[in-house]
Amino acid sequence: DAGITQSPRYKITETGRQVTLMCHQTWSHSYMFWYRQDLGHGLRLIYYSAAADITDKGEVPDGYVVSRSKTENFPLTLESATRSQTSVYFCASRVDRGVVGTEAFFGQGTRLTVV
Amino acid sequence: LAKTTQPISMDSYEGQEVNITCSHNNIATNDYITWYQQFPSQGPRFIIQGYKTKVTNEVASLFIPADRKSSTLSLPRVSLSDTAVYYCLVGPVAAGNKLTFGGGTRVLVKP
Repeated sequence: DAGITQSPRYKITETGRQVTLMCHQTWSHSYMFWYRQDLGHGLRLIYYSAAADITDKGEVPDGYVVSRSKTENFPLTLESATRSQTSVYFCASRVDRGVVGTEAFFGQGTRLTVV
Repeated sequence: LAKTTQPISMDSYEGQEVNITCSHNNIATNDYITWYQQFPSQGPRFIIQGYKTKVTNEVASLFIPADRKSSTLSLPRVSLSDTAVYYCLVGPVAAGNKLTFGGGTRVLVKP
């Protein structure tokens, strides 16, 4: 199916463990983003990627690692999970640069709980 | 990136028009104004985007005055299903736009 999908939808992990959240899009969009949204708050940008093998930090990158070996995939790894990383994580993709009227498409989110 | 300011929350009733104003005093020449809608437990969804004057689609209208220092999202005849958080974003649509979200406006539509 076409679209952007995140997996898993829900994840519980323990403090100190490494966990990877997956994001896959079928449109071949150049830009992809990872956000976190804490309860009752807006979205904060963690990392973004302009193309395969090109990534850059957002507002809150500490404690996270990303990679983008293929255009369609943009995994987010928490190297050593902490309770403060309990949040809902959203992945998004966006059409290529310079297109007027461009919009971002978001996945359904991954609800991560660190205990 | 231009900083945006929106009301934290708004209440309305079914059938009414809802207008949400976003202030962006330091908007740049190449910045566009984009609005997203987010329902509970879902990712944000694009609503509308504009540069100046008025833009209308099947969901909403966007009014942008000549000085572009503010914009107003207008939702006509809202229903209960329009209860959501609405985000105003300002930035270039071209490369480098990091899509930075502010706190948004929580709109509650009452019966």
